[in-house]
Amino acid sequence: LAKTTQPISMDSYEGQEVNITCSHNNIATNDYITWYQQFPSQGPRFIIQGYKTKVTNEVASLFIPADRKSSTLSLPRVSLSDTAVYYCLVGDTGGFKTIFGAGTRLFVKA
Amino acid sequence: GAGVSQSPSNKVTEKGKDVELRCDPISGHTALYWYRQSLGQGLEFLIYFQGNSAPDKSGLPSDRFSAERTGGSVSTLTIQRTQQEDSAVYLCASGHPGTGGRRGSTEAFFGQGTRLTVV
Repeated sequence: LAKTTQPISMDSYEGQEVNITCSHNNIATNDYITWYQQFPSQGPRFIIQGYKTKVTNEVASLFIPADRKSSTLSLPRVSLSDTAVYYCLVGDTGGFKTIFGAGTRLFVKA
Repeated sequence: GAGVSQSPSNKVTEKGKDVELRCDPISGHTALYWYRQSLGQGLEFLIYFQGNSAPDKSGLPSDRFSAERTGGSVSTLTIQRTQQEDSAVYLCASGHPGTGGRRGSTEAFFGQGTRLTVV
């Protein structure tokens, strides 16, 4: 299973763009990359998923370089409500037969 | 229902007792997952059901843990002879597995979880 590495925590201010990078050096050819967001006392919520290049939706963008050994989740103009833990997952079955890891705790300040 | 439903939302039990946690997945979802999350930690995979295939139980921490999925829908996670270290939030998720040979292309929908406290 591809292991992922993310920063433990990040701080930002309202209105800024936040980029969270995830390393997955041993990603397999058939693996997708998926990002989830989790607020306290809630289950994780799907944010975005991609295989290569760039994916954008109404919430975020996902940048994946050609070698796919890393990916960057980009949150435009964050607000206080974006304070949460962000998890990067790679591959296998539904992409979930793995330990999520501690994720990245994002703190957005006023 | 509109989402994944878990019950109870909170459960306090005495050490040594058995508990059952229930998960109602989104209708039509063939994949169902159970995870455990200790305070301040990431999600620990427990078990995965996919359609009529044999479940992947590789994440179950001990033989005190078991899970069933009846009729491809509702799932029950059972913990026998509970221990204090079993205290955690137990999360259930459902989804559709990826197609076309791509792994991890499922979007999983999580329930709110069951907070289990063993005293």
